[in-house]
Amino acid sequence: AQSVTQLDSHVSVSEGTPVLLRCNYSSSYSPSLFWYVQHPNKGLQLLLKYTSAATLVKGINGFEAEFKKSETSFHLTKPSAHMSDAAEYFCVVSLSRGGATNKLIFGTGTLLAVQP
Amino acid sequence: NAGVTQTPKFQVLKTGQSMTLQCAQDMNHEYMSWYRQDPGMGLRLIHYSVGAGITDQGEVPNGYNVSRSTTEDFPLRLLSAAPSQTSVYFCASNYRTSGGYYNEQFFGPGTRLTVL
Repeated sequence: AQSVTQLDSHVSVSEGTPVLLRCNYSSSYSPSLFWYVQHPNKGLQLLLKYTSAATLVKGINGFEAEFKKSETSFHLTKPSAHMSDAAEYFCVVSLSRGGATNKLIFGTGTLLAVQP
Repeated sequence: NAGVTQTPKFQVLKTGQSMTLQCAQDMNHEYMSWYRQDPGMGLRLIHYSVGAGITDQGEVPNGYNVSRSTTEDFPLRLLSAAPSQTSVYFCASNYRTSGGYYNEQFFGPGTRLTVL
């Protein structure tokens, strides 16, 4: 069965330092993987997606993620945090190979705080 | 494009009352979904639709009804509200590509519902 685990519920960084948000998935095959961001009282916005092309995926606002099949991980990184990055981040996995179905599993979220 | 819109943004109900959460999209997407977001649980699928006239249940459908009479609109009905339905509700839409896989889902801004 497919599942997704976000390893940290809260992460706090200082402005200008690197960000690492960890996500592990469980799947019988290579799934489609997404990272969404949710700013306070807002909807979810897509940061980036992996759909079996390049394993290093670049997204918006300087974020990127690397798909590592051997480690079943899809960690989100950013070299230098900005105050505006403070938000909740969700790792999401599709329920089938290459997005062939429309059903998604959401992680429980990681709340990122950025200290000045 | 306005994208995915939801109304109302906030709603307070008393136990036993009914109401309809509205969702509309102007992107001509075939697929629409309703999710609820509860603290520490990520998003869970309530109902979804693969096109006008076709709906199906998701992970947590009890207490909710949906219909899809047009491509644009996908309302969610609470027949008899209960305190357990206090949550933030998100509507999403997407489409299936010519390659046969589903692209990412686009989310509305959400409706915050409190049932007293």
